Amino acid sequence: GQNIDQPTEMTATEGAIVQINCTYQTSGFNGLFWYQQHAGEAPTFLSYNVLDGLEEKGRFSSFLSRSKGYSYLLLKELQMKDSASYLCAVTDSNYQLIWGAGTKLIIKP
Amino acid sequence: IAGITQAPTSQILAAGRRMTLRCTQDMRHNAMYWYRQDLGLGLRLIHYSNTAGTTGKGEVPDGYSVSRANTDDFPLTLASAVPSQTSVYFCASSEGQGANIQYFGAGTRLSVL
Repeated sequence: GQNIDQPTEMTATEGAIVQINCTYQTSGFNGLFWYQQHAGEAPTFLSYNVLDGLEEKGRFSSFLSRSKGYSYLLLKELQMKDSASYLCAVTDSNYQLIWGAGTKLIIKP
Repeated sequence: IAGITQAPTSQILAAGRRMTLRCTQDMRHNAMYWYRQDLGLGLRLIHYSNTAGTTGKGEVPDGYSVSRANTDDFPLTLASAVPSQTSVYFCASSEGQGANIQYFGAGTRLSVL
């Protein structure tokens, strides 16, 4: 079966760094997405990885290891506005997105 | 402002009633999707359309139907609502099928009593 695992909830301090992990088992792989979703709002695109390695975009970076079925999202210099859920999603062999349940990130002052 | 518009924003519906959730995009995207989001679960695909005139079933299609008469509109119909269809429904679109960024509407919060 297809499965994406991410921690349910994480807590971090304003100004710090946090790493949100995602492991996946899917039928085929055509890329991995990270989305951000604030409470009561729609998901918005953060990053896309299809090759192994690190993609950096400002305070956010995303890493992929296809051989390990593993990705992480790294958030630096945390701000209160980063409090949100972070969704990992994998494009399978049928080019459908399979979504994880999301990680709720709580930022404390 | 370009994007996806969903209507209504929220709705309380009696069980057994018929309901159509509306979704319109003005980005001329070929692919459109309907998801439901429930607490503790990931987004689950209900139906999708890769291009106008075609539709396909997702992971949880039972009790729902869709149509894609043109590029912009992708309505979702619940023929006879049941309480288990209480959820937040998101419409999304992307330039094409496959590994393309999906853009989401603001969602419809539906309660079936």
